[in-house]
Amino acid sequence: GENVEQHPSTLSVQEGDSAVIKCTYSDSASNYFPWYKQELGKGPQLIIDIRSNVGEKKDQRIAVTLNKTAKHFSLHITETQPEDSAVYFCAASQGNNNDMRFGAGTRLTVKP
Amino acid sequence: EPEVTQTPSHQVTQMGQEVILRCVPISNHLYFYWYRQILGQKVEFLVSFYNNEISEKSEIFDDQFSVERPDGSNFTLKIRSTKLEDSAMYFCASTSAFYNSPLHFGNGTRLTVT
Repeated sequence: GENVEQHPSTLSVQEGDSAVIKCTYSDSASNYFPWYKQELGKGPQLIIDIRSNVGEKKDQRIAVTLNKTAKHFSLHITETQPEDSAVYFCAASQGNNNDMRFGAGTRLTVKP
Repeated sequence: EPEVTQTPSHQVTQMGQEVILRCVPISNHLYFYWYRQILGQKVEFLVSFYNNEISEKSEIFDDQFSVERPDGSNFTLKIRSTKLEDSAMYFCASTSAFYNSPLHFGNGTRLTVT
């Protein structure tokens, strides 16, 4: 089955700097890659997703890149703000939610 | 915006006791899920549910676990005889479609088994 690895496990940046979180996946049949943000005491919330027919997707300060050949995808947050502090999870699936597999999470801290 | 709601937010139980975790999925969603997150570890798939039956379950979802949709709104996870290793956050999620549809998670129930 699919295995998703995520790095780093913790990341601390200064407000205004960029943050990058990287994930690799094992199953070349995976074609859907969402990213979730989990704030303290809450469930994961989808922030951006990408499908395998595109290499990059951007939404304001957040972007995700996908390299299908290398089987890795990354989350980029620019101009970080303290409210970006949370745990971020990557995930991969073949499109159906039954086989969605999550990374271990990255705790991002943005220092004011 | 519609939300998935879970109750209780925290449940403490003794080993061997039965617990029922409750979820109200988003009203027009058709697919329902339970996930588990042991402290500091990955979010793990437990079970999916559609059309009043389990559509898939993981190896974690053994005979101690069951799910039910007792009425048109609630979706429950029952653990029949809790073990210490069942201590975790349990998340309910729902989606409107099976493919390429983002999961909408509730805020979770923290289960502590003593």
